[in-house]
Amino acid sequence: SAVISQKPSRDICQRGTSLTIQCQVDSQVTMMFWYRQQPGQSLTLIATANQGSEATYESGFVIDKFPISRPNLTFSTLTVSNMSPEDSSIYLCSVSRREVGTDTQYFGPGTRLTVL
Amino acid sequence: KNEVEQSPQNLTAQEGEFITINCSYSVGISALHWLQQHPGGGIVSLFMLSSGKKKHGRLIATINIQEKHSSLHITASHPRDSAVYICAVRKTSGSRLTFGEGTQLTVNP
Repeated sequence: SAVISQKPSRDICQRGTSLTIQCQVDSQVTMMFWYRQQPGQSLTLIATANQGSEATYESGFVIDKFPISRPNLTFSTLTVSNMSPEDSSIYLCSVSRREVGTDTQYFGPGTRLTVL
Repeated sequence: KNEVEQSPQNLTAQEGEFITINCSYSVGISALHWLQQHPGGGIVSLFMLSSGKKKHGRLIATINIQEKHSSLHITASHPRDSAVYICAVRKTSGSRLTFGEGTQLTVNP
């Protein structure tokens, strides 16, 4: 299994500010993902964090708004920039690891963000 | 139409009842996940299935690949089972997960 921790667990921020969320995994993983879950909705993939290169963003998400770092195989950060109330969501880090011939996915505890 | 659909959206049960949550998908998949999300937001992976049936404690998950359908069953439900249950599939064409809308389960004592 993989143990994932995220910091902060929750935050309340003012409009126009930025917040950086950290994701730490207890073992090296190749694939790390950042998801957003808006209130009452399912998870939406923001981007895949690639070690040593730029993140791969999904349609509707851009690097200027959600810059991502992946300095090594156990750590990644997601920044939510110039926040607005529409950014209020749970942000989840997730990793995929090959185990017993299949890709098993693990999720972090999430960061609950409220933007005023 | 969503590629992954769950039913029901909301489910309220009395403690001890047998519960079934359904998931239908319309794409080719390599695996299907059942996830549990508690009010705090964190997600726990319950099962990953590519065929047949898996059991863990009071939870049972089944999948029928031909019918593109999976079910999650909870036997002898308990208030601590109250959570959102999410079905997610990994398409054969890629590595990312596609999620259902989730089923909010409330088990009353």
